[in-house]
Amino acid sequence: DAGVTQSPTHLIKTRGQHVTLRCSPISGHKSVSWYQQVLGQGPQFIFQYYEKEERGRGNFPDRFSARQFPNYSSELNVNALLLGDSALYLCASSLEGIGNTIYFGEGSWLTVV
Amino acid sequence: QKEVEQNSGPLSVPEGAIASLNCTYSDRGSQSFFWYRQYSGKSPELIMSIYSNGDKEDGRFTAQLNKASQYVSLLIRDSQPSDSATYLCAVTTGRRALTFGSGTRLQVQP
Repeated sequence: DAGVTQSPTHLIKTRGQHVTLRCSPISGHKSVSWYQQVLGQGPQFIFQYYEKEERGRGNFPDRFSARQFPNYSSELNVNALLLGDSALYLCASSLEGIGNTIYFGEGSWLTVV
Repeated sequence: QKEVEQNSGPLSVPEGAIASLNCTYSDRGSQSFFWYRQYSGKSPELIMSIYSNGDKEDGRFTAQLNKASQYVSLLIRDSQPSDSATYLCAVTTGRRALTFGSGTRLQVQP
């Protein structure tokens, strides 16, 4: 069975640009979460969606937004990129909503220059 | 005070020894506890979950939970060089997303 898939795996953007990251959950999972992991730190929660509705939001600025589609895949959008947005962006899926066991994809490595 | 605290390490143990990784958390309402392993340059991989006080064993791994002391640990028996990684502790009340510690780096010396 396919796990959580994310794209792209690596990307380089310039300050001020916009980025879209994509994620497909494990088959049968209806919830997708997004986390940001900066080098040397644990993953920090950004958003969680369940059945296409936002169920949780972390302490991130409004430049960060996300959505979930009818097929349960998801996009994370970041506008007006800053150097500090350089990180590993992790998508995780779970069977149900917030607080359940999550399984991570391989991540998208974003470098902002 | 951080919500989930872990010693950053590195924790160095010889091959074949028991590695003991510790985690404390601040929210007494926490109900679910997880250990993830993260190899350098890779994403976190779920090792174990634990929900009740006591021990839970899975192969060479044992998770221990003490809610009264707000403490969760992971023991790795017969440590192997392939166990060298960062181990992340994660906690949730069930009504919030998982909160992760910064991880403990484990080095198993051959």
